[in-house]
Amino acid sequence: ETGVTQSPTHLIKTRGQQVTLRCSSQSGHNTVSWYQQALGQGPQFIFQYYREEENGRGNFPPRFSGLQFPNYSSELNVNALELDDSALYLCASSGREPGNEKLFFGSGTQLSVL
Amino acid sequence: QQQVKQSPQSLIVQKGGISIINCAYENTAFDYFPWYQQFPGKGPALLIAIRPDVSEKKEGRFTISFNKSAKQFSLHIMDSQPGDSATYFCAAFSSGSARQLTFGSGTQLTVLP
Repeated sequence: ETGVTQSPTHLIKTRGQQVTLRCSSQSGHNTVSWYQQALGQGPQFIFQYYREEENGRGNFPPRFSGLQFPNYSSELNVNALELDDSALYLCASSGREPGNEKLFFGSGTQLSVL
Repeated sequence: QQQVKQSPQSLIVQKGGISIINCAYENTAFDYFPWYQQFPGKGPALLIAIRPDVSEKKEGRFTISFNKSAKQFSLHIMDSQPGDSATYFCAAFSSGSARQLTFGSGTQLTVLP
């Protein structure tokens, strides 16, 4: 176990709805990244949070947004859900110090959009 | 380019055999190359990683070979076991401001008993 916990584990929504996914980072880690993993593909970087601010973003539209809290936990929010948003959403935590490239992933939230 | 290309898509190996998975990258800014193992219903777990100033790294049955000039790297699993059956992802780390991982498309490894 990595110490990164995500909730919920599974979620079913309908197109157009909004969803919030949650992540608690591993103790001592101050950086949280979110990835989307479609079925049969590798994870794709959504964005990263450091010191409660977005610190980088992949090729995802603005309806994907996030938050990081003072205890380093994080939320991923997706508005106006589309069918293609169905995927496994992974949270990864890491330290920020130079040389600390190891990312530790949670088990993910499986989102199904109907 | 941020792409990492991985092959093969699937691999079947007999128990005790050697599993070899290959990856290639284009962006010379990548400076850390991890391999992740993922079981169904779980997140990716870091298996082994290498930096571009090293040509080979071995940890137990797992070895990474790295060819900086060709921009290629590979994972070798020696004495493959049925418990190694999983999806393997190569990745490349960019230590710019975002410090993000770019993943390959994955290799589904099946080790037959």
